[in-house]
Amino acid sequence: AQKITQTQPGMFVQEKEAVTLDCTYDTSDPSYGLFWYKQPSSGEMIFLIYQGSYDQQNATEGRYSLNFQKARKSANLVISASQLGDSAMYFCAMRRYSSASKIIFGSGTRLSIRP
Amino acid sequence: SQTIHQWPATLVQPVGSPLSLECTVEGTSNPNLYWYRQAAGRGLQLLFYSVGIGQISSEVPQNLSASRPQDRQFILSSKKLLLSDSGFYLCAWSGRGADTEAFFGQGTRLTVV
Repeated sequence: AQKITQTQPGMFVQEKEAVTLDCTYDTSDPSYGLFWYKQPSSGEMIFLIYQGSYDQQNATEGRYSLNFQKARKSANLVISASQLGDSAMYFCAMRRYSSASKIIFGSGTRLSIRP
Repeated sequence: SQTIHQWPATLVQPVGSPLSLECTVEGTSNPNLYWYRQAAGRGLQLLFYSVGIGQISSEVPQNLSASRPQDRQFILSSKKLLLSDSGFYLCAWSGRGADTEAFFGQGTRLTVV
């Protein structure tokens, strides 16, 4: 079975500060992909970043980076220099290579940026 | 480029009425297709996914069903809606590889009254 856990229902961060959103996962598969999505109040789902289980380096995309610790089964999203527009729900997701058709999501973290 | 269309954007239906939500994808062939439901302020629950025409995998036993009559068309249905079916329904597509992300439609906000 596979499972994604996001333990922070909500977070408040001061503008321009960095923020880390936690994500842990559970799978017995050695090969898998991890994804982060942003969902603004409009409801659209925006893909942010991807990390493969065999990637040697942590993924980065602009202000987003992924702190991937395979042994701990964690894939935390780091947003540097937060902006007001970063206020949204953030979801972690996983896709196993052995069952690549299935994509499961965590319960999400609501991030609020204070001016 | 690929696009995904999902409609309607909002829907208010009485309890016991039928439901049909449609999703179509353009610009790609043989995609994986997904239906998710999101309760207010909550995470995404995978309802159904499909790897090909007529191939449907159900994740949660419930009052809903899905069909894929064409390669790029995915339909979510119910014969009789329950109050608990209210929520935000999202359709998505992805490529075959586990390293490919899913692309989502704009969602349908369903309220069962």
